[in-house]
Amino acid sequence: AQTVTQSQPEMSVQEAETVTLSCTYDTSENNYYLFWYKQPPSRQMILVIRQEAYKQQNATENRFSVNFQKAAKSFSLKISDSQLGDTAMYFCAFTSGTYKYIFGTGTRLKVLA
Amino acid sequence: GAVVSQHPSWVICKSGTSVKIECRSLDFQATTMFWYRQFPKQSLMLMATSNEGSKATYEQGVEKDKFLINHASLTLSTLTVTSAHPEDSSFYICSVEKTGTIGNEQFFGPGTRLTVL
Repeated sequence: AQTVTQSQPEMSVQEAETVTLSCTYDTSENNYYLFWYKQPPSRQMILVIRQEAYKQQNATENRFSVNFQKAAKSFSLKISDSQLGDTAMYFCAFTSGTYKYIFGTGTRLKVLA
Repeated sequence: GAVVSQHPSWVICKSGTSVKIECRSLDFQATTMFWYRQFPKQSLMLMATSNEGSKATYEQGVEKDKFLINHASLTLSTLTVTSAHPEDSSFYICSVEKTGTIGNEQFFGPGTRLTVL
């Protein structure tokens, strides 16, 4: 069975600094997709970044980038130049494309002024 | 992307009553929708997969007679919590699957907060 693990329940970072959120997963699939979602206090789930497992190149979206290590089954999210608006819960998610998403337990990130 | 709405955004009901939550896909026809439940400070737990025109597929441990799901059209799925009890109080989130996108990406609604007194 696939599992997703986020080992950091809470993290904090100073505004303008860089922070990395960790995520590991377990699967026997070779083709799959990984996502990072942000859930701010409004509770709306917002896609931050996605990675296709067959792509070796790490995905980037402006200040957000991932470090995808397929062999290690690791998918960390790096947030550069942290902003107050980045304060939120961050969920790592996995899907093999068959339909079901499996979410990690989340990391609560607080950006400090 | 896709725009998903939920109604109501919050609801308070008395124990023993039934509550219906609507999930609408506003800008495309969704064959598959999902219903999640989220307890405070916890992750999203998939409750069921809703397929247009057929019976929903429930995850293990989810009572299908208590959480009735209807997906009567390609733009609307409803979740009815029957005979609600305080332990059903939670945040319910729906999502729609857009096939053809990377990983059959899911787009989430804004959620519905249910409080059962």
